[in-house]
Order: sequence, then structure tokens, then C-alpha cells
Amino acid sequence: DAMVIQNPRYQVTQFGKPVTLSCSQTLNHNVMYWYQQKSSQAPKLLFHYYDKDFNNEADTPDNFQSRRPNTSFCFLDIRSPGLGDAAMYLCATSRAGTSGRGTDTQYFGPGTRLTVL
Amino acid sequence: AQKVTQAQTEISVVEKEDVTLDCVYETRDTTYYLFWYKQPPSGELVFLIRRNSFDEQNEISGRYSWNFQKSTSSFNFTITASQVVDSAVYFCALSVIGANNLFFGTGTRLTVIP
Repeated sequence: DAMVIQNPRYQVTQFGKPVTLSCSQTLNHNVMYWYQQKSSQAPKLLFHYYDKDFNNEADTPDNFQSRRPNTSFCFLDIRSPGLGDAAMYLCATSRAGTSGRGTDTQYFGPGTRLTVL
Repeated sequence: AQKVTQAQTEISVVEKEDVTLDCVYETRDTTYYLFWYKQPPSGELVFLIRRNSFDEQNEISGRYSWNFQKSTSSFNFTITASQVVDSAVYFCALSVIGANNLFFGTGTRLTVIP
């Protein structure tokens, strides 16, 4: 089945220690998104890739970076995690159609729950 | 500006009861898209439905149905004969042409009691 895969499902890191979360997809979608979701809140978009074109949200901290080496994979790097970065990180993909990238259905992975000690 | 309001923070129903989750949206765009997602305790956001602003037909999929009314800017979701597996947080979301992201509501936590 075509899907969005995130590894690991659970990640524990120490305060200030860099961490990388990964996402892969078999849907062959050209848009990949990273969301942060804190407890009892809606997902918040951090950034997205439209093909190789990186698009950062204005309020995403510099501490968060992303890489997309190919169509299938996308990584979220947190350079110096703080306690406030503990959250669920969701990867999503969509196929940007003629209506624009924001309007197509986004398919989400299972998420990576990050704990910062 | 776009906004989605889900006024019901938490709902509890007994199994087999029907339940409606409310969603009210705000946008000045004439073309927009509405979505519902389900987030079970495992955390994955599961896509349920996408409707565009020009299609006001109600939709039924098994025990799920959606009522889209542009006159009241609402896109409500009804689960008929609820089951324990329906327990989850349900998000309503809006997107518009030119925006990169989904505008999510704050979610409604549904608990179905056996």
C-alpha cells in the first residue's frame, strides 16, 4: 500500500543534543510537509517542500531545519532541542494540482513523538 | 484571514448513539476546500473527506455523513451508531488557493463509551 512512513515513532533526546527525524513516502507526491503538534493542540505547519523548493513558515524557529535529498525522503533536523520542542512531529505529503499546493489532500504519516530530557 | 472553529472541545456518547461534530469556518475566498481528519490515540491523522466550495451536496460514507451549508459557513460531521473505535480527536480544516497550509480547527475529542 502507498503510504507515508516516519521513523522513529518515538525519539528521546537530551536538551541541546541535535536530533533528526525522517519521513519517507511511496505516494510519489511532489509536496512534503512537516508539522509540529503539541498536546491538545492542532498541528502547526513548520515548512514544506514543493519538489526541491523549500518553503519556511515565517514563525518557524531557526532551530528547525529540513532536507529533502530526493522525492521520497524528507528530514527534520532540530539543531539544539529545548524542552519546549517536545511534541509530536507529523510529516504529510500531497500532490499539488492545478488549484495550488495548499488545496490538495494531505496524507499524514503516523508521527514521531519527541521527548526532550 | 481564514479561521476554523470547532466549538465542541469534548463530547462523550454511549455506543450506538448518533453524534454530530460541528465545524464553522471563515474565509473571504470564494474558492476553498474543507477537510475532516481523524486522529486516534496512535497519533496519525487519517483523512476522511475533502469538499470544495462549489459542491454543497451532502455526502454519506457508511456510518459517516457530512452536511455542508455555505449559508451558515458550516461543515458538520455526523457519525451514526457510534462505536468505540470512533473514539478519537476529529479536526476540521480549511484551505484556500495560494496558501500552503491547512487551517485547522482546535479539534473535538470524541469518546464513545461501551
